Amino acid sequence: GAGVSQSPSNKVTEKGKDVELRCDPISGHTALYWYRQSLGQGLEFLIYFQGNSAPDKSGLPSDRFSAERTGGSVSTLTIQRTQQEDSAVYLCASSLSGTGYEQYFGPGTRLTVT
Amino acid sequence: GQNIDQPTEMTATEGAIVQINCTYQTSGFNGLFWYQQHAGEAPTFLSYNVLDGLEEKGRFSSFLSRSKGYSYLLLKELQMKDSASYLCAAPSNDYKLSFGAGTTVTVRA
Repeated sequence: GAGVSQSPSNKVTEKGKDVELRCDPISGHTALYWYRQSLGQGLEFLIYFQGNSAPDKSGLPSDRFSAERTGGSVSTLTIQRTQQEDSAVYLCASSLSGTGYEQYFGPGTRLTVT
Repeated sequence: GQNIDQPTEMTATEGAIVQINCTYQTSGFNGLFWYQQHAGEAPTFLSYNVLDGLEEKGRFSSFLSRSKGYSYLLLKELQMKDSASYLCAAPSNDYKLSFGAGTTVTVRA
């Protein structure tokens, strides 16, 4: 079956604009994660969705960041009033459930804020 | 989150063996993951250790000592395609993984 897909693959935006990043997880995966990876850095946890439970938003760096997951499937990460420090690769991953299962990563969205 | 410590870079020649060490703060949640990430690509799963000991999977093996908060990834018979970043990840609760910054392995001819 299809893997995790993300769109767009690249996004260049001007400082102050809003952006939306999309993630389509693997069908049947109830857990969905968003991470941010800056150049040469590890993966920074942003947010976690599990089924219909309230998401863990503890990793969101500021209130300019928000995410939703509709129908337990597709997720959208929104960054409002983008800043240059938001430039990074945003990775989405899905898994069957929790940390006992491997996470399957999408190809990422490379965001550049000019 | 967890404190994950792994070396930044390692270099080895084709055909050699390299061992990437990872130390982490134990959280009470078992399991230690290793992921491989080629430049410009997404991480892909390599191994998951939930019990102490060595697990071998082809040219790659992974070891875990839960009491010591220590793991290593062993890459044998290195090939050029093994040049990549290797990420160690430990659970900080029952659903969240903390990732290390990654070890960049460069394989030279």
